[in-house]
Amino acid sequence: DTGVSQDPRHKITKRGQNVTFRCDPISEHNRLYWYRQTLGQGPEFLTYFQNEAQLEKSRLLSDRFSAERPKGSFSTLEIQRTEQGDSAMYLCASSPLLPTYGYTFGSGTRLTVV
Amino acid sequence: GQNIDQPTEMTATEGAIVQINCTYQTSGFNGLFWYQQHAGEAPTFLSYNVLDGLEEKGRFSSFLSRSKGYSYLLLKELQMKDSASYLCASASSNDYKLSFGAGTTVTVRA
Repeated sequence: DTGVSQDPRHKITKRGQNVTFRCDPISEHNRLYWYRQTLGQGPEFLTYFQNEAQLEKSRLLSDRFSAERPKGSFSTLEIQRTEQGDSAMYLCASSPLLPTYGYTFGSGTRLTVV
Repeated sequence: GQNIDQPTEMTATEGAIVQINCTYQTSGFNGLFWYQQHAGEAPTFLSYNVLDGLEEKGRFSSFLSRSKGYSYLLLKELQMKDSASYLCASASSNDYKLSFGAGTTVTVRA
């Protein structure tokens, strides 16, 4: 297993466009998390899945954001009608149910909205 | 949220020791994680404390006091490669969801 993979690594988009990011977690991990990180801040929780079920979505998350994990394996995060404030690093992480060795993070997708 | 508080920046000399403190909200707590994050890279797991006391792993040690809502990460024999951001994160009691602090940027100088 090569760890958590995210695609693309970088995305530049114009304001108002839709973007979709993909995350492939570690195959044995039941849980998958999406976080957003801006410069000088820690990762901010967006949403998480246990297998294919989305168990929690941050109250701060706009309706423009949606995430899926259709077969309990890979996940996608879509942002509709992007705004400049959406510019950030989007991190995906996975873990077993009991994460005593923490989450394993992917390298992230850096989104720039121009 | 878990109201994680940690210093913004710390500077130390190569070979020295640095202690990064972290305080968190104790309600709904299920353990404290420390991560290291180099600029432009993903966070990597350093330690997990769920019981009071000190856990030592080579040059890095982590301490937890549940009653005080306090943890620290101790970095010994600092090396230039230890220059990074160190993130404190608390796990919630019902689902181990992690809430992160803003991170402490450690700069190691020769």
